Amino acid sequence: DIQMTQSPSSLSASVGDRVTITCRSSQSISSYLNWFQQEPGKAPKLLIYAATSLQSGVPSRFRASGSGTAFTLTINSLQPDDFATYFCQQTYNFPWTFGQGTKVDMK
Amino acid sequence: QVQLQQWGAGLLKPSETLALTCVAHGGSFSAYNWNWFRQSPGKGLESIGEINHSGYTKYNPSLKSRVTISIDTSMNQFSLMLSGVTAADTALYFCARRSGGWQYFDHWGQGTLVSVSS
Repeated sequence: DIQMTQSPSSLSASVGDRVTITCRSSQSISSYLNWFQQEPGKAPKLLIYAATSLQSGVPSRFRASGSGTAFTLTINSLQPDDFATYFCQQTYNFPWTFGQGTKVDMK
Repeated sequence: QVQLQQWGAGLLKPSETLALTCVAHGGSFSAYNWNWFRQSPGKGLESIGEINHSGYTKYNPSLKSRVTISIDTSMNQFSLMLSGVTAADTALYFCARRSGGWQYFDHWGQGTLVSVSS
């Protein structure tokens, strides 16, 4: 299986901050990388697909970059709705695998 | 507006079989692949398996011996069965739709909490 490693595992930030989360894969996954936001007890919500493409309806403050084995999600000007947990996921090879998550909480 | 709705028993005893079903409302059912995931505090988000409209399946090798995923295209629904459950199978289970091309999951069910306890 392809291993996905996210960092940090948690971070504290304030409204208006810029937040950056990184994700690395154990082998090249081209751009088959998705980012999700999840609230406790709810389904993941797709934010970014194909490493850099913004899902329809997702605010433009969410930006992502990367290819190969290194990827980044940036949230510009953090909003109250953005305090949640974020996951990366590879869909290059089955089984699809996820990072362990990054919890963004309020400073 | 696509919506996935899932249901199934939430409390099981060890050795029983977990059974969940997911129905897709809206969209073209045959154009997508359909997946099951689960999430637990210990193992995070985990892929269980996938099925397409022709019934072709992929199963996570870690669960393959116990998993069966089936599909009913006439009802726009697909199902998960996991046999011989243990406490380690306690998790929040989700169904999801996978789009082709870049292979992303844009629609998810609401989740079903399954607890295994004697």
